Amino acid sequence: QKEVEQNSGPLSVPEGAIASLNCTYSDRGSQSFFWYRQYSGKSPELIMSIYSNGDKEDGRFTAQLNKASQYVSLLIRDSQPSDSATYLCAVNTLDTGRRALTFGSGTRLQVQP
Amino acid sequence: SAVISQKPSRDICQRGTSLTIQCQVDSQVTMMFWYRQQPGQSLTLIATANQGSEATYESGFVIDKFPISRPNLTFSTLTVSNMSPEDSSIYLCSVVTVPNTGELFFGEGSRLTVL
Repeated sequence: QKEVEQNSGPLSVPEGAIASLNCTYSDRGSQSFFWYRQYSGKSPELIMSIYSNGDKEDGRFTAQLNKASQYVSLLIRDSQPSDSATYLCAVNTLDTGRRALTFGSGTRLQVQP
Repeated sequence: SAVISQKPSRDICQRGTSLTIQCQVDSQVTMMFWYRQQPGQSLTLIATANQGSEATYESGFVIDKFPISRPNLTFSTLTVSNMSPEDSSIYLCSVVTVPNTGELFFGEGSRLTVL
């Protein structure tokens, strides 16, 4: 079982709609969760971090965490064509003191004008 | 976040040669990591670059193939040795700039193509 799982997509939504991106993780001891956006040919860019259960909002982005279900999601409201990118979920597993992040395979989002 | 500069940004290399990638950060950082992103794939951690000591490698990565140096808190190098076409990837330097957040920030990446 992969440590961090995401649907590869593509997820296609019309402009102005809500895009919902989902991620599950296997390590129940995970404590920190992140969403990155990666445009084609570019390096990943951090857009959200979340550490406790519930919702965290930042502009058009809302991250949701449910540790009991080992599930984290990202909602993008009023989606724009410029949001078209691959979204990577990342988890800090803290396995043997490791501080690096484990990344999912990413979900490709396409926002149709 | 810190400014993270990588050199080279891209290169085309011949099979059997080695290439060293440099990562320079504009501020001192405690945690520095090297990731690889193969075409169409996600990010895979190669190693943690430890200042003043040997890097900590992930399963499947060895020092002979990917020697790493980190002489101080702002600089690190990754060498890809004896390259084969399977080493064609983007190599990314990443750092944690705010302690205890776990937030990783990435350099622009170094895209290597091995012929």
